[in-house]
Amino acid sequence: AQTVTQSQPEMSVQEAETVTLSCTYDTSESDYYLFWYKQPPSRQMILVIRQEAYKQQNATENRFSVNFQKAAKSFSLKISDSQLGDAAMYFCAYSRWRASGSRLTFGEGTQLTVNP
Amino acid sequence: DAGVIQSPRHEVTEMGQEVTLRCKLISGHNSLFWYRQTMMRGLELLIYFNNNVPIDDSGMPEDRFSAKMPNASFSTLKIQPSEPRDSAVYFCASSLQGRPEAFFGQGTRLTVV
Repeated sequence: AQTVTQSQPEMSVQEAETVTLSCTYDTSESDYYLFWYKQPPSRQMILVIRQEAYKQQNATENRFSVNFQKAAKSFSLKISDSQLGDAAMYFCAYSRWRASGSRLTFGEGTQLTVNP
Repeated sequence: DAGVIQSPRHEVTEMGQEVTLRCKLISGHNSLFWYRQTMMRGLELLIYFNNNVPIDDSGMPEDRFSAKMPNASFSTLKIQPSEPRDSAVYFCASSLQGRPEAFFGQGTRLTVV
């Protein structure tokens, strides 16, 4: 079974600075996807960024980027120029892609606080 | 396009009562997932469907829980009878079969007293 671990229950960052959230996972599969989801106080789960395991290039979405280390099974999220609206719970998630669906396995989450 | 729509957003019910949570998928999506979020267990998959067919219901905690897809765009999750330990946020998510991204509704916060 696949597992996802987020070892930082809480993180904080000053507005405009950079923060990195950590995630490790365990799988025997070679083809899979990794995601970061954001859950603000509104409770909505919002997809932030996605990485395909077969791609060596790290995914980037505006101020959000990942550091994907496949051999180490590590998948960290970097938020640059942090904004107050980035404050939320962040979940790392794994999906073993196959034709029959894309179920997600989530980590425990990291609560990010952005200080003005 | 409208996202995944869940109703109600909040539900408070008494122990022993039947509870029905509802979900409308994003138009064109054909995979449907029900997740439950609690402080103790985090986010866990309860059941998922592809093309209206239940594929994996191993996460459904007990026979008190049942889920259906009466049509391609709508699903229900029913708890009968409800118990206080069922209190949680229940999320519905949908995706296009073969695509890895799942899009979530805003969740239903269920409180069983």
